[in-house]
Amino acid sequence: GAVVSQHPSWVICKSGTSVKIECRSLDFQATTMFWYRQFPKQSLMLMATSNEGSKATYEQGVEKDKFLINHASLTLSTLTVTSAHPEDSSFYICSADKSTRNNEQFFGPGTRLTVL
Amino acid sequence: AQTVTQSQPEMSVQEAETVTLSCTYDTSESDYYLFWYKQPPSRQMILVIRQEAYKQQNATENRFSVNFQKAAKSFSLKISDSQLGDAAMYFCAYRTTHNAGNMLTFGGGTRLMVKP
Repeated sequence: GAVVSQHPSWVICKSGTSVKIECRSLDFQATTMFWYRQFPKQSLMLMATSNEGSKATYEQGVEKDKFLINHASLTLSTLTVTSAHPEDSSFYICSADKSTRNNEQFFGPGTRLTVL
Repeated sequence: AQTVTQSQPEMSVQEAETVTLSCTYDTSESDYYLFWYKQPPSRQMILVIRQEAYKQQNATENRFSVNFQKAAKSFSLKISDSQLGDAAMYFCAYRTTHNAGNMLTFGGGTRLMVKP
């Protein structure tokens, strides 16, 4: 199998606080993970590509100082939303690249962030 | 940059009938991957079917099949014998075979409703 987990599945926080979301590949090693953001009834928007042991590559328009990504091991990537504001409320999805399997990405179940 | 377009925001099908979801894409590459993902209300992304661009034969997975027209840059999904559980958002996605990021580019999605 190829299972990806995310924690937490949902989080509510106050404006101005920071929130960390974890993405783990449970039964395979992932040198590359991806972070997406999805607004209601919209498609997935790639935020950044996370590479183990190196800095993340952010998409145009995504603030790297606000969305901190760390990929410290082959099975874990974290996304920290710093100084969260209500407009950061969204559904965040990670995926992990299992390059040995026909270039398929495996998705986590997502994290719903609500900033009050 | 590659773009993926899904021209049908919503589609409806009667249970047990057949429905086709449209997808077109734009690329200058000759080799790439195309995917259809399903996102049910749980929001977990599920891979439905995959097509390698170098293969002329259309991919098939049980009730799901694609019509891949490389010259026309078209990649439609046909769902046969539709079931209530097929109701979901469906996303068409493109992935380069190049090593730079191997990111997925998603279309805007099509919401499929299945009528009993």
